[in-house]
Amino acid sequence: KQEVTQIPAALSVPEGENLVLNCSFTDSAIYNLQWFRQDPGKGLTSLLLIQSSQREQTSGRLNASLDKSSGRSTLYIAASQPGDSATYLCAVRRYSSASKIIFGSGTRLSIRP
Amino acid sequence: EAGVTQFPSHSVIEKGQTVTLRCDPISGHDNLYWYRRVMGKEIKFLLHFVKESKQDESGMPNNRFLAERTGGTYSTLKVQPAELEDSGVYFCASSQAGGGEQYFGPGTRLTVT
Repeated sequence: KQEVTQIPAALSVPEGENLVLNCSFTDSAIYNLQWFRQDPGKGLTSLLLIQSSQREQTSGRLNASLDKSSGRSTLYIAASQPGDSATYLCAVRRYSSASKIIFGSGTRLSIRP
Repeated sequence: EAGVTQFPSHSVIEKGQTVTLRCDPISGHDNLYWYRRVMGKEIKFLLHFVKESKQDESGMPNNRFLAERTGGTYSTLKVQPAELEDSGVYFCASSQAGGGEQYFGPGTRLTVT
């Protein structure tokens, strides 16, 4: 059974800092890994999607890495801004059921001005 | 292009009542998914439609939940009768291909009192 764990559950940092959010998963046979952002009262916004054959993806100030062998992914946010405050969700899909996304419980990020 | 839409955005009902949630996927997306997040837990998969057929309904919690997608366009999720533990946020997502990127709607917040 695939389980996805995110640490920490909550994080508060001052504006301008670089930060790392962590995600671990128990089954390395993943189809892909995705990082989402959720703002209060809104849906999920996809930030980065890493296919199983890839090691990392970058978009602007965001960089996500994937290490399947260790069952880990990190989301790196550079030069954090108050607008980055949201809940960040890590999610994986398995080859055995690639249509089903398995989510972690999320990291609630707060950037202090 | 319009994204995934869900109606209503928020529903408050009493225990024992019936509620029907609606999801309109992105036009042309044959694949439609339902997920939910109950209090304090991670987002979990409920089921997957390919056009009007249920491809995977392994996440449906019990027979009080009925999902339909007549005509392969919009989908409804009915809860009858609702119980307190059904409270949470119900998300819908759609994708072109079964393993393709899923686009999420804003969710319906269901409160059962």
